Amino acid sequence: QQPVQSPQAVILREGEDAVINCSSSKALYSVHWYRQKHGEAPIFLMILLKGGEQKGHDKISASFNEKKQQSSLYLTASQLSYSGTYFCGTVQGAQKLVFGQGTRLTINP
Amino acid sequence: NAGVTQTPKFQVLKTGQSMTLQCAQDMNHEYMSWYRQDPGMGLRLIHYSVGAGITDQGEVPNGYNVSRSTTEDFPLRLLSAAPSQTSVYFCASSPQPGQGPWSYTFGSGTRLTVV
Repeated sequence: QQPVQSPQAVILREGEDAVINCSSSKALYSVHWYRQKHGEAPIFLMILLKGGEQKGHDKISASFNEKKQQSSLYLTASQLSYSGTYFCGTVQGAQKLVFGQGTRLTINP
Repeated sequence: NAGVTQTPKFQVLKTGQSMTLQCAQDMNHEYMSWYRQDPGMGLRLIHYSVGAGITDQGEVPNGYNVSRSTTEDFPLRLLSAAPSQTSVYFCASSPQPGQGPWSYTFGSGTRLTVV
């Protein structure tokens, strides 16, 4: 079953912050985050494991709350290069990676 | 390294035709998966494999077959193409958890149109 992402789309001005949420009805082993530019393949951003850890990648960070079966991606001081569609992927059964429907992020100058 | 190579990049099929989408990786990854991407639906898992000789179904397996005879190759077969299978197909591979950073590397995709 696909995780649910919210919002479906976000429009920001350069320098603004954004939060993308990902929730699942199934118990999670880990959560992946990917970004896809238009017409390109998804690119790995980060993976979060059990323990509520936060990870960072430049000014992009994420948290994982396994009790609530939720993860959030935080984009701080957004740059034009952050534009794209963001996908969370939840690992089900320790082997199967299932993605959400995606969140389209548009950064305007 | 080439990474994950998918062929062809574009394909047009007639309804009822069969074809095989090729996927090969040169990173000695155990895990390989096939996804289809449709507008508003995200990436949906078709089939996946955790090693040579082992495959399993994902969320949307109907109309597709896979096999994994080698670690490197994971072809996806469309048995009898239907317009509903018009989509962009991505193949992805990753090492097993614990044998390296567990992240999927995606191929560049195959855009399939069924008329």
